[in-house]
Amino acid sequence: GNSVTQMEGPVTLSEEAFLTINCTYTATGYPSLFWYVQYPGEGLQLLLKATKADDKGSNKGFEATYRKETTSFHLEKGSVQVSDSAVYFCALSDRGGSEKLVFGKGMKLTVNP
Amino acid sequence: EAGVTQFPSHSVIEKGQTVTLRCDPISGHDNLYWYRRVMGKEIKFLLHFVKESKQDESGMPNNRFLAERTGGTYSTLKVQPAELEDSGVYFCASSQQTSGNTGELFFGEGSRLTVL
Repeated sequence: GNSVTQMEGPVTLSEEAFLTINCTYTATGYPSLFWYVQYPGEGLQLLLKATKADDKGSNKGFEATYRKETTSFHLEKGSVQVSDSAVYFCALSDRGGSEKLVFGKGMKLTVNP
Repeated sequence: EAGVTQFPSHSVIEKGQTVTLRCDPISGHDNLYWYRRVMGKEIKFLLHFVKESKQDESGMPNNRFLAERTGGTYSTLKVQPAELEDSGVYFCASSQQTSGNTGELFFGEGSRLTVL
């Protein structure tokens, strides 16, 4: 079946540090890939997505590229801020037409001033 | 516009008792999903409603779990009787019915269930 493996953390960084959160997937079909983020006291929200190979999703300074050859979708940000402190989830959905998502375990990021 | 709201935010019950979780999706969203995150594990799909119909309930753990969405608006998830392994955070999410697979679900904050 489909699955997602991601760095679990927790990770603590200083402001302006570089961030990479690794995510790899296993899928029988050709999935769409997502990063969701959960800020403290809020529900999960979509951060970025990519629907085909070599697509790059980007939002709020974060980027991730759909790499079919390595089955990866690593999340990066060049300079993190305190406000980026949150839990980050990598996820996929198959192309069956629904938004049924398969999630990784999530990684808690804390950014200190 | 109100987001997805869930109630209660936290429930603590004894093993064997019953708990009902409620989800109010974003107005106009036909799709409603329930997910669960057991501590230290992935967020797992439970089921999917399209309006009042169960589209996919393949993730429901067993028959102690009953989900309803009468009238195609809010949904309830009842656990009866609750067991220790049911503890976790139950997330509800909604989306508009579209022809494409956007993957953008709008999540509530979750209902934390603790079974003692």
